[in-house]
Amino acid sequence: AQKVTQAQTEISVVEKEDVTLDCVYETRDTTYYLFWYKQPPSGELVFLIRRNSFDEQNEISGRYSWNFQKSTSSFNFTITASQVVDSAVYFCALSEANTGTASKLTFGTGTRLQVTL
Amino acid sequence: EAGVAQSPRYKIIEKRQSVAFWCNPISGHATLYWYQQILGQGPKLLIQFQNNGVVDDSQLPKDRFSAERLKGVDSTLKIQPAKLEDSAVYLCASSPLRGRQETQYFGPGTRLLVL
Repeated sequence: AQKVTQAQTEISVVEKEDVTLDCVYETRDTTYYLFWYKQPPSGELVFLIRRNSFDEQNEISGRYSWNFQKSTSSFNFTITASQVVDSAVYFCALSEANTGTASKLTFGTGTRLQVTL
Repeated sequence: EAGVAQSPRYKIIEKRQSVAFWCNPISGHATLYWYQQILGQGPKLLIQFQNNGVVDDSQLPKDRFSAERLKGVDSTLKIQPAKLEDSAVYLCASSPLRGRQETQYFGPGTRLLVL
C-alpha cells in the first residue's frame, strides 16, 4: 500500500532563514506522481508542484526548490529566505493507480511551518 | 479562471442531525473528488466522480454518507445522521481528467462541527 511520511510535525524559523521540509514515500508502483500542496490558515489547499517518478531532475521556482531522490524515496521541499507569508501547513502527496485508470491521492500528515519576524 | 467553489464555509450541527455540502468544480473539469480532513491529519479521499459516475467510493461510510453529481457538474455530499467523529473539514477538488498524472485543484473547504 502507498504511504507518505512527513516526520516533521512543526517547524519554526525566523524570517530569511532557509528551511527544508522532508517527505518520504512508499509505493510498489514504478510509475507514480508526487505533489506538494500548501494549506494556509484560510484552509484551501494550494498546488505547488507535481513530479513524475521518471524525472529526478531537481526543480527551482523562485524561492522554492524540490529535491527528488528515488534511491531514498524522498521528495524534499526547500524554501530559501523564508517569509512570514510562507507560514502554512505543507502537505506531500503521492498518486498511483488504483482501480482501472482512476487515481488515488495519498497525503502525508503535513508539516506546519511558522515563520516569525 | 474561477476556482473550485464550496458552500457553506462553516456549519455547526448537533449529532444525529443531517447536513449537506455543495461543490462546483472548475469549469470543464471532468473529475470531482470529496475529501475529509480531520484536524491534524492529511486529507482522506471519500469519493471520486468521473463526469456523473462514481469511480471510487471505497472509503465512503455508506451507512451515513451519500454523494451525487447530477449532470456531471456540481456535486452534493450529505451526512445523515451525523456523529461527533464527523467533525472535520470537507474538501472538494477537481481535475481535468482522471489518472495519477492529473493535478487536483482544491476548494476552500467546509468546516463541520458536530456537537
